[in-house]
Amino acid sequence: DAMVIQNPRYQVTQFGKPVTLSCSQTLNHNVMYWYQQKSSQAPKLLFHYYDKDFNNEADTPDNFQSRRPNTSFCFLDIRSPGLGDAAMYLCATSRDNEEQFFGPGTRLTVL
Amino acid sequence: QKEVEQNSGPLSVPEGAIASLNCTYSDRGSQSFFWYRQYSGKSPELIMFIYSNGDKEDGRFTAQLNKASQYVSLLIRDSQPSDSATYLCAVSSNDYKLSFGAGTTVTVRA
Repeated sequence: DAMVIQNPRYQVTQFGKPVTLSCSQTLNHNVMYWYQQKSSQAPKLLFHYYDKDFNNEADTPDNFQSRRPNTSFCFLDIRSPGLGDAAMYLCATSRDNEEQFFGPGTRLTVL
Repeated sequence: QKEVEQNSGPLSVPEGAIASLNCTYSDRGSQSFFWYRQYSGKSPELIMFIYSNGDKEDGRFTAQLNKASQYVSLLIRDSQPSDSATYLCAVSSNDYKLSFGAGTTVTVRA
Protein backbone atom coordinates (compact mmCIF):
# COMPACT_ATOMS: atom_id res chain seq x y z
CA ASP A 1 0.00 0.00 0.00
CA ALA A 2 1.16 3.52 -0.79
CA MET A 3 2.00 5.30 2.39
CA VAL A 4 3.99 7.82 4.39
CA ILE A 5 6.47 6.26 6.81
CA GLN A 6 8.22 7.98 9.69
CA ASN A 7 11.12 6.71 11.73
CA PRO A 8 11.59 6.38 14.56
CA ARG A 9 8.09 6.44 16.03
CA TYR A 10 9.49 7.49 19.40
CA GLN A 11 12.72 9.38 19.96
CA VAL A 12 14.28 10.31 23.29
CA THR A 13 17.18 12.74 23.26
CA GLN A 14 19.08 14.82 25.75
CA PHE A 15 18.93 18.57 25.97
CA GLY A 16 21.23 19.97 23.29
CA LYS A 17 21.97 16.64 21.59
CA PRO A 18 21.25 16.76 17.85
CA VAL A 19 18.53 14.51 16.52
CA THR A 20 17.36 13.55 13.03
CA LEU A 21 13.89 12.37 12.15
CA SER A 22 13.15 10.71 8.84
CA CYS A 23 10.19 10.48 6.51
CA SER A 24 9.73 8.40 3.39
CA GLN A 25 6.82 8.07 1.02
CA THR A 26 5.70 5.68 -1.68
CA LEU A 27 2.96 7.99 -2.99
CA ASN A 28 5.31 9.72 -5.43
CA HIS A 29 4.04 13.07 -4.24
CA ASN A 30 6.08 16.11 -5.17
CA VAL A 31 5.40 18.13 -2.01
CA MET A 32 6.59 17.11 1.46
CA TYR A 33 5.87 18.92 4.70
CA TRP A 34 7.09 18.91 8.29
CA TYR A 35 4.72 19.90 11.09
CA GLN A 36 5.19 20.21 14.83
CA GLN A 37 2.22 19.39 17.02
CA LYS A 38 2.10 19.94 20.76
CA SER A 39 -0.54 18.55 23.05
CA SER A 40 -4.07 19.89 22.43
CA GLN A 41 -2.81 22.20 19.65
CA ALA A 42 -3.22 22.19 15.90
CA PRO A 43 -0.27 21.09 13.75
CA LYS A 44 2.14 23.94 13.06
CA LEU A 45 3.90 24.00 9.70
CA LEU A 46 7.68 24.22 10.00
CA PHE A 47 8.63 24.04 6.30
CA HIS A 48 7.81 22.29 3.08
CA TYR A 49 9.51 21.20 -0.13
CA TYR A 50 7.90 21.70 -3.48
CA ASP A 51 9.99 19.27 -5.50
CA LYS A 52 13.52 20.38 -4.53
CA ASP A 53 12.53 23.91 -3.58
CA PHE A 54 12.71 24.50 0.16
CA ASN A 55 10.15 26.83 1.78
CA ASN A 56 10.74 27.85 5.37
CA GLU A 57 8.02 29.37 7.54
CA ALA A 58 8.99 32.77 8.89
CA ASP A 59 8.59 31.74 12.53
CA THR A 60 10.44 28.41 12.30
CA PRO A 61 13.47 28.59 14.60
CA ASP A 62 16.93 28.27 13.05
CA ASN A 63 17.39 25.23 15.28
CA PHE A 64 15.27 23.30 12.80
CA GLN A 65 16.72 22.26 9.44
CA SER A 66 15.57 19.95 6.71
CA ARG A 67 16.98 17.94 3.83
CA ARG A 68 15.29 16.27 0.91
CA PRO A 69 17.89 14.15 -0.91
CA ASN A 70 15.36 12.68 -3.34
CA THR A 71 11.63 12.56 -4.07
CA SER A 72 10.94 9.81 -1.57
CA PHE A 73 12.85 10.94 1.52
CA CYS A 74 12.86 13.98 3.74
CA PHE A 75 14.70 14.59 7.02
CA LEU A 76 14.15 16.92 9.92
CA ASP A 77 17.27 17.89 11.86
CA ILE A 78 16.99 19.54 15.26
CA ARG A 79 20.45 20.88 15.96
CA SER A 80 20.18 21.59 19.69
CA PRO A 81 16.88 20.37 21.09
CA GLY A 82 15.44 22.27 24.00
CA LEU A 83 12.74 21.21 26.42
CA GLY A 84 10.26 23.27 24.40
CA ASP A 85 10.91 21.15 21.32
CA ALA A 86 9.28 18.10 22.86
CA ALA A 87 6.32 17.40 20.58
CA MET A 88 4.89 15.14 17.91
CA TYR A 89 6.58 15.74 14.56
CA LEU A 90 4.42 14.99 11.57
CA CYS A 91 5.48 14.47 7.99
CA ALA A 92 2.89 14.95 5.26
CA THR A 93 2.88 14.70 1.48
CA SER A 94 0.68 15.96 -1.32
CA ARG A 95 0.52 16.11 -5.09
CA ASP A 96 0.80 19.81 -5.79
CA ASN A 97 -1.91 21.62 -3.82
CA GLU A 98 -4.15 18.60 -3.38
CA GLU A 99 -5.02 16.93 -0.09
CA GLN A 100 -2.19 16.20 2.33
CA PHE A 101 -1.60 12.76 3.78
CA PHE A 102 0.14 12.42 7.10
CA GLY A 103 2.58 9.83 8.35
CA PRO A 104 2.15 8.27 11.82
CA GLY A 105 4.41 10.87 13.45
CA THR A 106 7.48 10.77 15.66
CA ARG A 107 7.02 11.62 19.30
CA LEU A 108 10.10 13.44 20.56
CA THR A 109 11.00 13.55 24.24
CA VAL A 110 13.79 15.86 25.43
CA LEU A 111 15.38 15.04 28.78
CA GLN B 1 -2.84 35.86 8.97
CA LYS B 2 -5.33 33.23 7.89
CA GLU B 3 -7.78 32.43 10.66
CA VAL B 4 -9.70 29.19 10.93
CA GLU B 5 -12.10 28.86 13.82
CA GLN B 6 -14.01 25.82 14.95
CA ASN B 7 -16.89 25.56 17.40
CA SER B 8 -15.52 25.04 20.84
CA GLY B 9 -15.85 21.59 22.31
CA PRO B 10 -15.99 19.18 23.66
CA LEU B 11 -19.05 17.90 21.85
CA SER B 12 -20.83 14.97 23.45
CA VAL B 13 -23.47 13.07 21.49
CA PRO B 14 -25.32 9.80 22.16
CA GLU B 15 -24.62 6.82 19.97
CA GLY B 16 -26.72 6.92 16.82
CA ALA B 17 -27.18 10.70 16.88
CA ILE B 18 -25.85 13.30 14.43
CA ALA B 19 -22.70 15.18 15.38
CA SER B 20 -22.46 18.63 13.79
CA LEU B 21 -19.10 20.37 13.52
CA ASN B 22 -18.67 23.93 12.29
CA CYS B 23 -15.74 25.87 10.91
CA THR B 24 -15.35 29.45 9.67
CA TYR B 25 -12.37 30.93 7.84
CA SER B 26 -11.16 34.45 7.22
CA ASP B 27 -9.40 34.24 3.84
CA ARG B 28 -11.88 34.71 0.99
CA GLY B 29 -9.25 33.35 -1.40
CA SER B 30 -9.44 29.92 0.22
CA GLN B 31 -10.10 27.24 -2.33
CA SER B 32 -9.78 23.85 -0.67
CA PHE B 33 -11.31 22.60 2.55
CA PHE B 34 -10.47 19.50 4.51
CA TRP B 35 -11.63 17.63 7.57
CA TYR B 36 -9.13 15.49 9.44
CA ARG B 37 -9.86 13.09 12.28
CA GLN B 38 -7.21 12.67 14.95
CA TYR B 39 -7.34 10.04 17.64
CA SER B 40 -5.45 10.75 20.84
CA GLY B 41 -1.73 10.18 20.32
CA LYS B 42 -2.14 9.49 16.59
CA SER B 43 -1.60 11.53 13.45
CA PRO B 44 -4.37 13.33 11.52
CA GLU B 45 -6.31 11.20 9.07
CA LEU B 46 -8.05 12.79 6.10
CA ILE B 47 -11.76 11.97 6.10
CA MET B 48 -13.30 14.55 3.76
CA PHE B 49 -12.33 17.26 1.32
CA ILE B 50 -14.55 19.70 -0.53
CA TYR B 51 -13.78 22.31 -3.15
CA SER B 52 -17.18 23.52 -4.39
CA ASN B 53 -20.18 25.06 -2.70
CA GLY B 54 -22.80 22.59 -1.58
CA ASP B 55 -22.79 19.19 0.04
CA LYS B 56 -20.48 16.23 -0.37
CA GLU B 57 -21.38 12.89 1.14
CA ASP B 58 -19.14 9.92 1.90
CA GLY B 59 -20.75 7.17 3.91
CA ARG B 60 -21.86 8.58 7.25
CA PHE B 61 -19.98 11.85 6.69
CA THR B 62 -21.31 14.94 4.91
CA ALA B 63 -19.26 18.06 4.32
CA GLN B 64 -21.03 21.32 3.54
CA LEU B 65 -19.36 24.39 2.07
CA ASN B 66 -20.71 27.92 1.74
CA LYS B 67 -18.02 30.19 0.35
CA ALA B 68 -20.21 33.30 0.53
CA SER B 69 -20.54 32.82 4.28
CA GLN B 70 -16.96 31.47 4.60
CA TYR B 71 -18.32 28.46 6.40
CA VAL B 72 -17.67 24.75 6.19
CA SER B 73 -19.25 22.04 8.28
CA LEU B 74 -19.06 18.31 8.87
CA LEU B 75 -21.99 16.14 9.81
CA ILE B 76 -21.47 12.67 11.23
CA ARG B 77 -24.64 10.60 10.99
CA ASP B 78 -25.36 7.54 13.14
CA SER B 79 -22.44 8.43 15.42
CA GLN B 80 -20.47 5.49 16.77
CA PRO B 81 -18.12 5.25 19.76
CA SER B 82 -15.28 4.83 17.23
CA ASP B 83 -16.02 8.38 16.00
CA SER B 84 -14.79 9.75 19.34
CA ALA B 85 -11.78 11.85 18.31
CA THR B 86 -10.66 15.40 17.64
CA TYR B 87 -11.77 16.77 14.27
CA LEU B 88 -9.55 19.34 12.60
CA CYS B 89 -10.82 21.73 9.95
CA ALA B 90 -8.12 22.79 7.48
CA VAL B 91 -8.21 25.38 4.72
CA SER B 92 -5.87 25.95 1.78
CA SER B 93 -5.46 28.94 -0.51
CA ASN B 94 -3.55 27.27 -3.31
CA ASP B 95 -0.22 28.04 -1.65
CA TYR B 96 0.62 24.49 -0.57
CA LYS B 97 -0.13 25.37 3.04
CA LEU B 98 -2.91 24.25 5.31
CA SER B 99 -4.32 26.55 7.97
CA PHE B 100 -5.77 24.45 10.77
CA GLY B 101 -8.45 25.21 13.27
CA ALA B 102 -7.85 24.32 16.89
CA GLY B 103 -10.02 21.22 16.57
CA THR B 104 -13.26 20.03 18.13
CA THR B 105 -13.20 17.00 20.38
CA VAL B 106 -16.18 14.70 19.91
CA THR B 107 -17.24 12.08 22.43
CA VAL B 108 -19.90 9.55 21.42
CA ARG B 109 -21.68 8.10 24.45
CA ALA B 110 -22.67 4.45 24.23
